[in-house]
Amino acid sequence: AQTVTQSQPEMSVQEAETVTLSCTYDTSESDYYLFWYKQPPSRQMILVIRQEAYKQQNATENRFSVNFQKAAKSFSLKISDSQLGDAAMYFCAYLLSFRDDKIIFGKGTRLHILP
Amino acid sequence: NAGVTQTPKFQVLKTGQSMTLQCAQDMNHNSMYWYRQDPGMGLRLIYYSASEGTTDKGEVPNGYNVSRLNKREFSLRLESAAPSQTSVYFCASSEMDRGHNEQFFGPGTRLTVL
Repeated sequence: AQTVTQSQPEMSVQEAETVTLSCTYDTSESDYYLFWYKQPPSRQMILVIRQEAYKQQNATENRFSVNFQKAAKSFSLKISDSQLGDAAMYFCAYLLSFRDDKIIFGKGTRLHILP
Repeated sequence: NAGVTQTPKFQVLKTGQSMTLQCAQDMNHNSMYWYRQDPGMGLRLIYYSASEGTTDKGEVPNGYNVSRLNKREFSLRLESAAPSQTSVYFCASSEMDRGHNEQFFGPGTRLTVL
C-alpha cells in the first residue's frame, strides 16, 4: 500500500530565510502525482504545488519549489524568502495516476515563521 | 463561482444523535470526497464518489454513510454519533483529468460529540 511520511512535525524559520520541508513516500508504481497542500489557521486547504512523476523537471511556483527524487522516493518543498503568511500546516500528498481516485496525505508539518 | 461549500460550519451533538453534513460543488467535477482531520493524523478518507451514482469506502468508513444525490452534492451522515467522531470534516472535489487532478476543498465542519 502507498504511504506518505512527513518526518518533521514542526519547523521554524526566520522571516526572509529559506526552509525545506521533507516528504518521502512508498510506492511500486511509476506513474503518479505528488502534491503539497497548505492549511493556514483559517483551515482552508490550498494547493501549493504539483509534480507529475513522469516529468524529471522539478515544479516551481513563485517562491515555492520542489526537489523531486524519484529513485529515492523523496519530494521536499522549498520555500524561499519566507513570509509571515507562509505560517501554516503543510501536507504532502500522493495520487496514483488514473487507476485510483484516492489521494493519500501525510500527517503534516507545522511551519512557524519567526519575525 | 463558490467552489466547494459545506454546511454547517460548526455542530455540537450528544452521543447517539444523528446528523447529515452537506457538501456541494459548482465546478462540474465528477469525483467528490469526505475526509476527517484529527490532530497529528493528517487527513483520512472516509468515503468517496468517483461519479454520480457510485460511492466507495475509504480508510475510515465505520460509523458513516454517504449519498451522492447528484453530480453537485455529496452528503455524509452520522447515524448514531460517538465521541470518537469528534473531528473536523472536509469535503473535496476533483476532475481526475491528467492535467487537472488536484482536489479542491470546502472550508470544513468542526463537529463535537459530547
